[in-house]
Amino acid sequence: KNEVEQSPQNLTAQEGEFITINCSYSVGISALHWLQQHPGGGIVSLFMLSSGKKKHGRLIATINIQEKHSSLHITASHPRDSAVYICAVSGTYKYIFGTGTRLKVLA
Amino acid sequence: DGGITQSPKYLFRKEGQNVTLSCEQNLNHDAMYWYRQDPGQGLRLIYYSQIVNDFQKGDIAEGYSVSREKKESFPLTVTSAQKNPTAFYLCASTPGGTSITYNEQFFGPGTRLTVL
Repeated sequence: KNEVEQSPQNLTAQEGEFITINCSYSVGISALHWLQQHPGGGIVSLFMLSSGKKKHGRLIATINIQEKHSSLHITASHPRDSAVYICAVSGTYKYIFGTGTRLKVLA
Repeated sequence: DGGITQSPKYLFRKEGQNVTLSCEQNLNHDAMYWYRQDPGQGLRLIYYSQIVNDFQKGDIAEGYSVSREKKESFPLTVTSAQKNPTAFYLCASTPGGTSITYNEQFFGPGTRLTVL
């Protein structure tokens, strides 16, 4: 069993839909990260959180430390949101990554 | 603009040849990392360096080597001992070399290596 599990693995949505991607982890962490990887391969950091909730534009990330679970929400989804979304957790010296959720938003 | 550069974006090599992937950052970050990404798998750590002239093996270091002679540079050599080198390689960096726990990682654009 992977230490960081994401669901779903693949997701197709219509433009405007509300999207939720889930992440569960089984190790002790200092922080949880949500990353976005576009088709070209480059990765950008969306959120780093250790408690509660963060919002940036149409993106919202939440974390429940007791349940070892985080969610990434996208409101009013748009085709430009199509990408792979990766959950990662950070410990003392390294990060552990989930396998990613491939999102496709159709116009 | 500050960032991380990796070159080249695509690299083709014959089996049995060593190849070096470049990673340069001008973010003044202390820590640098090399990851490998394969289809259906999460990023896996190859090597990391928290400070100049020091580096540690990650989870899949066999068949790879690195150097950290300058703060801004962390090249990765894929040797002929690496059994399955074809993959997408990502370099990353974080500030605060000895305390990375709460630091955001910055990633380069990646190098796709194909060994023929």
